[in-house]
Amino acid sequence: GESVGLHLPTLSVQEGDNSIINCAYSNSASDYFIWYKQESGKGPQFIIDIRSNMDKRQGQRVTVLLNKTVKHLSLQIAATQPGDSAVYFCAENMGEQTGANNLFFGTGTRLTVIP
Amino acid sequence: ETGVTQSPTHLIKTRGQQVTLRCSSQSGHNTVSWYQQALGQGPQFIFQYYREEENGRGNFPPRFSGLQFPNYSSELNVNALELDDSALYLCASSLGGRRSYNEQFFGPGTRLTVL
Repeated sequence: GESVGLHLPTLSVQEGDNSIINCAYSNSASDYFIWYKQESGKGPQFIIDIRSNMDKRQGQRVTVLLNKTVKHLSLQIAATQPGDSAVYFCAENMGEQTGANNLFFGTGTRLTVIP
Repeated sequence: ETGVTQSPTHLIKTRGQQVTLRCSSQSGHNTVSWYQQALGQGPQFIFQYYREEENGRGNFPPRFSGLQFPNYSSELNVNALELDDSALYLCASSLGGRRSYNEQFFGPGTRLTVL
């Protein structure tokens, strides 16, 4: 079943500040995690992923941190811009458990950037 | 844009009816996954097709069925519609099948309303 959850449903930040979105997962055997951004009226858009053999991965303005000890994932967005306003989901790939490349999503966090 | 298209964009049906949703995958992708996203929730995995065969299924009843065609496009069929089937239906295409962690590219979704 679904094993990914989020700590906060909403987050408001000032433009230019850094944003941190958190996510907890319950399946210690999960080995692949992805962050998605979903804007209104659109499908989820890939942001960044991380495998369980890594603690940190950086992209353009985004960083994902993985703490396997406490089963926690976070997405950091640097210098948040109005275009970052969206709902953010963490997703867990259960492929090793199910044999299929399917994703389990959490409920999501709505990020609002205040100009 | 991800290159994944879905039709129709919106659909209104009544309880007990049947519906067919369609998805064209990104060029070169041989795997299509379908997700149901209720309002305010994260997407829920329905099933996945890899090279025209079902490759994993989530916790959805048999009245949810699918097909994948030789060109890797896909259909989602739902029989005996219920009010709770009202949701955004997303398809995602990827390259690879079993236990493949390749990125999934989502389409914009079909908004289904059941009255």
